Amino acid sequence: DIQMTQSPSSLSASVGDAVTITCRASQSISTFLSWYRQKPGKAPELLIYGTSSLRRGAPSRFSGSGSGTEFTLTISSLQPEDFATYYCQQSYTTPRTFGPGTKVDFK
Amino acid sequence: QLQLVESGGGLVKPGGSLTLSCEASGFTFSDFFMNWVRQAPGKGLEWISYISRSGSMKEYAESVTGRFTISRDNAKRSLYLEMNSLRVEDTAVYYCAREVANHNNMDVWGKGTTVTVSS
Repeated sequence: DIQMTQSPSSLSASVGDAVTITCRASQSISTFLSWYRQKPGKAPELLIYGTSSLRRGAPSRFSGSGSGTEFTLTISSLQPEDFATYYCQQSYTTPRTFGPGTKVDFK
Repeated sequence: QLQLVESGGGLVKPGGSLTLSCEASGFTFSDFFMNWVRQAPGKGLEWISYISRSGSMKEYAESVTGRFTISRDNAKRSLYLEMNSLRVEDTAVYYCAREVANHNNMDVWGKGTTVTVSS
């Protein structure tokens, strides 16, 4: 199975801050990497797919990059609704593994 | 409006069984692979199964293989998860999610249904 790791596991930030989250795969997954945001008590929502494609309707402050085994999610200017947990997920093969999550909270 | 609505969760004793349902609306259900993903209390997301458009291909996480069965009825626009030999560690919110071909991402999610396995 492909293992996914994320760093940091949590971070504290303020509205307006730029934030970067890193995701690593245990083997190459090409660009089959998605990012999801999960607000407390809610279902996950897709933000980025195919490593860098912004989901239609997702805010443009979200961007993704990377390939192979290392990927990043960047939030250019954190908004109040972005205080949530972020998960990366590989869809290169099954099982479709998720990273352990990065919780973004208020500084 | 694209929508997935899960149902069937509840409290069940260890060793018991439960079947979850997920009803789709707002899109052509038979055009998409479908997934089940779960989240234990306070934990991260765990993919557990997917099924192809026709239902001919199914895959499972090791943690549920042999105990859970995924199925679908395209005429009813519904996805199912039959869960047998339930364990305390199966306690979670269960989500169904639509998978988009090409990048295999999950772009539409239901709100989830809660399964609690406890004596």
